[in-house]
Amino acid sequence: SAVISQKPSRDICQRGTSLTIQCQVDSQVTMMFWYRQQPGQSLTLIATANQGSEATYESGFVIDKFPISRPNLTFSTLTVSNMSPEDSSIYLCSVATDLPTYEQYFGPGTRLTVT
Amino acid sequence: KQEVTQIPAALSVPEGENLVLNCSFTDSAIYNLQWFRQDPGKGLTSLLLIQSSQREQTSGRLNASLDKSSGRSTLYIAASQPGDSATYLCAVITNAGKSTFGDGTTLTVKP
Repeated sequence: SAVISQKPSRDICQRGTSLTIQCQVDSQVTMMFWYRQQPGQSLTLIATANQGSEATYESGFVIDKFPISRPNLTFSTLTVSNMSPEDSSIYLCSVATDLPTYEQYFGPGTRLTVT
Repeated sequence: KQEVTQIPAALSVPEGENLVLNCSFTDSAIYNLQWFRQDPGKGLTSLLLIQSSQREQTSGRLNASLDKSSGRSTLYIAASQPGDSATYLCAVITNAGKSTFGDGTTLTVKP
């Protein structure tokens, strides 16, 4: 298993500003993912952030809006840029174990409110 | 595009009852399937992972089954307790390690 921490746990931000969310894992992992969970909804994958390669974004998400860094095997950041109230969500970091299981573990999430 | 559906969306049962949560997916070419629980305002806790070559997995009072050909998985909870109250999510995993989640079933177990 993996233990994942995220900072900050929650924040209230002004429209037009940016917030960087940090994700720290207690072990080295190759695959890391960022998800968004909008109020009352399920999880939507934003991007895959594998160490050693550029992040891969899902349809509807772009690098200019959600830049991601993955400097090593235990750490990643997601920035939410030029925020609007529609960005108010929970942002979750997850990691997957290697083959054969790809079992996923999640961080506690960052609750973002944009006013 | 993979779509994952969970039925029912909400379920309320008295303590002690056995119950089944359902998950269906449209593309049977999945790698694995994983069940999670999410408590209000919290992250996800992994419950069970079923590899595509397996039919079921058990952990304590939980049993998850997988029928890839029909695109279905079930999560069986025996002797439910109030502490089981949470939202249960299933996720289908591709061979690239990416997951598609269902909308979840919100379970309430009444004492």
